[in-house]
Amino acid sequence: AQSVTQLGSHVSVSEGALVLLRCNYSSSVPPYLFWYVQYPNQGLQLLLKYTTGATLVKGINGFEAEFKKSETSFHLTKPSAHMSDAAEYFCAVMTREGAQKLVFGQGTRLTINP
Amino acid sequence: DTEVTQTPKHLVMGMTNKKSLKCEQHMGHRAMYWYKQKAKKPPELMFVYSYEKLSINESVPSRFSPECPNSSLLNLHLHALQPEDSALYLCASSQPPWGPNLETQYFGPGTRLLVL
Repeated sequence: AQSVTQLGSHVSVSEGALVLLRCNYSSSVPPYLFWYVQYPNQGLQLLLKYTTGATLVKGINGFEAEFKKSETSFHLTKPSAHMSDAAEYFCAVMTREGAQKLVFGQGTRLTINP
Repeated sequence: DTEVTQTPKHLVMGMTNKKSLKCEQHMGHRAMYWYKQKAKKPPELMFVYSYEKLSINESVPSRFSPECPNSSLLNLHLHALQPEDSALYLCASSQPPWGPNLETQYFGPGTRLLVL
């Protein structure tokens, strides 16, 4: 069974600093990988996804993530944090066998300090 | 338009009530999903409909009854719920991921349910 581990339930950075949110997956075959963001009292919005091809994926709002098969990781980064980035971030995986089940990590709450 | 709408936004119900949650999308998607999200937890899949047929039921108690009357609409009928069922219920839609193309799941804003 596949699973997702997000290291750090809460990350705090200063405005303008680098944002790094960590995600590791456990799966015998590399799955599809996603990062979603959830703002307070809202649904989930897709930031970016990796399916195949280039391992560095660029998403919305200046975020990007790199798929590293050897490390089973898919960490999310943004060079310069903005106050509007404060939210809950979820890493998720889906198997490649046609299943539609998204399995989410526990989430990381990102706080931005002025 | 990549919008999934959900009504109502908030719902308070007693344990003997019957209520329904509604989800709608007009993106032409043929797969629709219900997720349950408890406070400070990730979403958990409940049901998946593909082409208006139930394709995945994640062993959800029968007091939750999904319905997909057409390709744009998804309902979740609630009956005899327990206080522990209080949560944010999220709907999502996508194209079914048949073949080599993986389609993104688009989420609605959710219905926040409180069971008293």
